[in-house]
Amino acid sequence: DSGVTQTPKHLITATGQRVTLRCSPRSGDLSVYWYQQSLDQGLQFLIHYYNGEERAKGNILERFSAQQFPDLHSELNLSSLELGDSALYFCASSVGGDRLNYGYTFGSGTRLTVV
Amino acid sequence: AQKITQTQPGMFVQEKEAVTLDCTYDTSDPSYGLFWYKQPSSGEMIFLIYQGSYDQQNATEGRYSLNFQKARKSANLVISASQLGDSAMYFCATLLYNFNKFYFGSGTKLNVKP
Repeated sequence: DSGVTQTPKHLITATGQRVTLRCSPRSGDLSVYWYQQSLDQGLQFLIHYYNGEERAKGNILERFSAQQFPDLHSELNLSSLELGDSALYFCASSVGGDRLNYGYTFGSGTRLTVV
Repeated sequence: AQKITQTQPGMFVQEKEAVTLDCTYDTSDPSYGLFWYKQPSSGEMIFLIYQGSYDQQNATEGRYSLNFQKARKSANLVISASQLGDSAMYFCATLLYNFNKFYFGSGTKLNVKP
């Protein structure tokens, strides 16, 4: 157990639907990062939150949004789902924000299948 | 965007032998970190080793070592005494400190043969 908890582990949903993925960071970590891993795009950085504030954005679609709550857990919302959104979604956490350390810890991922 | 290149999509190695997984990166930023992650078939991402761009010595963590050649912009992972459990995907990544972003390579699938 890495200390980063992602739920659910698996999700199957239909096109056009909306889903929410949840991530609880490791205890003491203030930063949460979201990544998408698909077969054709590899591992892509989506977004980074530090202590409730958005810090950096990567290749995140407008249909996707995220937030980090006061208790530091984060949710990734995916809407108007398309077949191409099927992927493994990872959350990672670290202590740092402005000055990053190497203590990145990944969760076990949520496998999303859009049918 | 930064480019991380892993030129070996798949590799085989005999159990107990050493193997080197290649990684080159392309950044003009002077301050960065280099990481290797292992992804077994279960899908989780496991941190293996880290090297800072200003570190003088190559990083080592148990059977893993990072062959850091800054001028060549390469950060190869060396796994000594391969074990069957080492069979997995391996990802190289760079972290640009000034931009707070992680960039991943496409991965190398390592198969350890008994």
